[in-house]
Amino acid sequence: QQQVKQSPQSLIVQKGGISIINCAYENTAFDYFPWYQQFPGKGPALLIAIRPDVSEKKEGRFTISFNKSAKQFSLHIMDSQPGDSATYFCAASKYGSGNTGKLIFGQGTTLQVKP
Amino acid sequence: DVKVTQSSRYLVKRTGEKVFLECVQDMDHENMFWYRQDPGLGLRLIYFSYDVKMKEKGDIPEGYSVSREKKERFSLILESASTNQTSMYLCASSFPGTGGYEQYFGPGTRLTVT
Repeated sequence: QQQVKQSPQSLIVQKGGISIINCAYENTAFDYFPWYQQFPGKGPALLIAIRPDVSEKKEGRFTISFNKSAKQFSLHIMDSQPGDSATYFCAASKYGSGNTGKLIFGQGTTLQVKP
Repeated sequence: DVKVTQSSRYLVKRTGEKVFLECVQDMDHENMFWYRQDPGLGLRLIYFSYDVKMKEKGDIPEGYSVSREKKERFSLILESASTNQTSMYLCASSFPGTGGYEQYFGPGTRLTVT
């Protein structure tokens, strides 16, 4: 019930292409879904997040698509650039006060964007 | 600027040694977390703390303990290091506000146990 499953484990995309990473969750109590980006030698950092009241959120070239009925969400990176090469983690938690702020992370996807 | 620092970037220890990993945050955050990161397994929560001297087990607490004597500092302790504890260890902190809880991560400590 607490798992978040992420796929693929690794992804190679040509520059200018679209990168797509998928996640699925089990716990219907989750209502906050962030994506974290980690560059080599650095800790993860928040990239973009979505709540279930919308089906899509876009920030620049990064878009989260959310399907509540399927309990799935995905990250799309449009016009992928070599600088996007990093490890991406999806996560899930409950939103709002009174919570510990625990995030359940997916397994991670290593993205390589080839020039 | 938000900052989470970890005492070492790389650490090599021998089997059976007691190991201390230190994490300090300068954001006055209540919540602090210790994760280990392994390829294909993602970030797995070892312990977290939501206040000074308070701690809760995460998903993989076996072989680890923690200490939080001051708000800004959260220590991870490997009582008797074993080779299966070779990993990247990440510390994070967050503020328990009324919204989503952005976690701020340190750069990680790569621990090798030989």
